[in-house]
Amino acid sequence: SQQGEEDPQALSIQEGENATMNCSYKTSINNLQWYRQNSGRGLVHLILIRSNEREKHSGRLRVTLDTSKKSSSLLITASRAADTASYFCATESGGYNKLIFGAGTRLAVHP
Amino acid sequence: EAQVTQNPRYLITVTGKKLTVTCSQNMNHEYMSWYRQDPGLGLRQIYYSMNVEVTDKGDVPEGYKVSRKEKRNFPLILESPSPNQTSLYFCASSSTRDGQETQYFGPGTRLLVL
Repeated sequence: SQQGEEDPQALSIQEGENATMNCSYKTSINNLQWYRQNSGRGLVHLILIRSNEREKHSGRLRVTLDTSKKSSSLLITASRAADTASYFCATESGGYNKLIFGAGTRLAVHP
Repeated sequence: EAQVTQNPRYLITVTGKKLTVTCSQNMNHEYMSWYRQDPGLGLRQIYYSMNVEVTDKGDVPEGYKVSRKEKRNFPLILESPSPNQTSLYFCASSSTRDGQETQYFGPGTRLLVL
């Protein structure tokens, strides 16, 4: 079952611009995580935000969480061509590490 | 180096021929999981294991088996593969301790069943 749904499905921007991706989910969660995947490769963890947190930063990444709206956003500031990848949100609930992934947002950053 | 390894990375097989995809992690993680990734569907969990000898079904377990005899290994077994199991498979592991929920993913195994 899919819990998280990312929006937009695809995003194309120029280097230096900011990229914002959104994730909505359906049930209550313990935490929400964002992962990055370069084409056909394994996923790399970017950031985890817990249900009692509203905002978190890591380098050029900013994640927000609104549990009342069951939504999260990932902002990548000053994007680079190397940020081109697919980005997935994943929710964890139930307390036993099970992650439910959305279908992902494909980000293309053009030089 | 902390890592999750999978073998093989690429596999072409025929319907009905049993195969095993191995997964190994060197981080002493309790939790391990298998996912399949199909276009437009994101990652879906096949099976997971909370620790040695403890396994449970994920969202799409039909046609798959797993075992967890040792902490570091979590093989995925397809007893009789079918074309609808053609997919990209990922193994992942994580600690179960609070604050260490980050999952580490293997590089993926691309399977084609003819």
